Amino acid sequence: GAVVSQHPSWVICKSGTSVKIECRSLDFQATTMFWYRQFPKQSLMLMATSNEGSKATYEQGVEKDKFLINHASLTLSTLTVTSAHPEDSSFYICSAQRAGSNYGYTFGSGTRLTVV
Amino acid sequence: GQNIDQPTEMTATEGAIVQINCTYQTSGFNGLFWYQQHAGEAPTFLSYNVLDGLEEKGRFSSFLSRSKGYSYLLLKELQMKDSASYLCAVRPSSGSARQLTFGSGTQLTVLP
Repeated sequence: GAVVSQHPSWVICKSGTSVKIECRSLDFQATTMFWYRQFPKQSLMLMATSNEGSKATYEQGVEKDKFLINHASLTLSTLTVTSAHPEDSSFYICSAQRAGSNYGYTFGSGTRLTVV
Repeated sequence: GQNIDQPTEMTATEGAIVQINCTYQTSGFNGLFWYQQHAGEAPTFLSYNVLDGLEEKGRFSSFLSRSKGYSYLLLKELQMKDSASYLCAVRPSSGSARQLTFGSGTQLTVLP
């Protein structure tokens, strides 16, 4: 149990376009999902915390108008990178916390975004 | 603020034992996690410590000392497939959903 599906696994887009990344909890309800970004040889940096039915909480330095997060249901959160630039190229990973679980975090498989 | 330190790189030989240390200074503490991450993949859960002491799980063990703000991950009988980045993460406070704060990761290379 506790599987999180993240799609797409990789995407290449042109500068100025938008890309949507989906994160789905397949066999449990996730009241909270976290979005991380990871640059090569660096650790995971939290971008935002997404709660079902409410606005996401963004970390300092993360532009909420550029990284749009929607958590419309207990099993789906989406991250949209708007007007992407080459510096947005990174590995994006979501993590879902099970409802009622004190410490169960499950990671998605990640999305490699390359902006050309 | 949150500060989590771990060595950047370590190298060990197949069959050996390696200990990866992690020290932390966080505002509140409600558990420390260890994750393994292979290049280009998502992290996979290895262990969780919330009380002091040693947790053993097969070839991997994790230790925690809350008073010292210190943890280590011990890997025994190293295999080539253990070459990966090992991430220490702290859950800074209790209550409902709280995000994990990750250390920078330790890149372990296992040599034949």
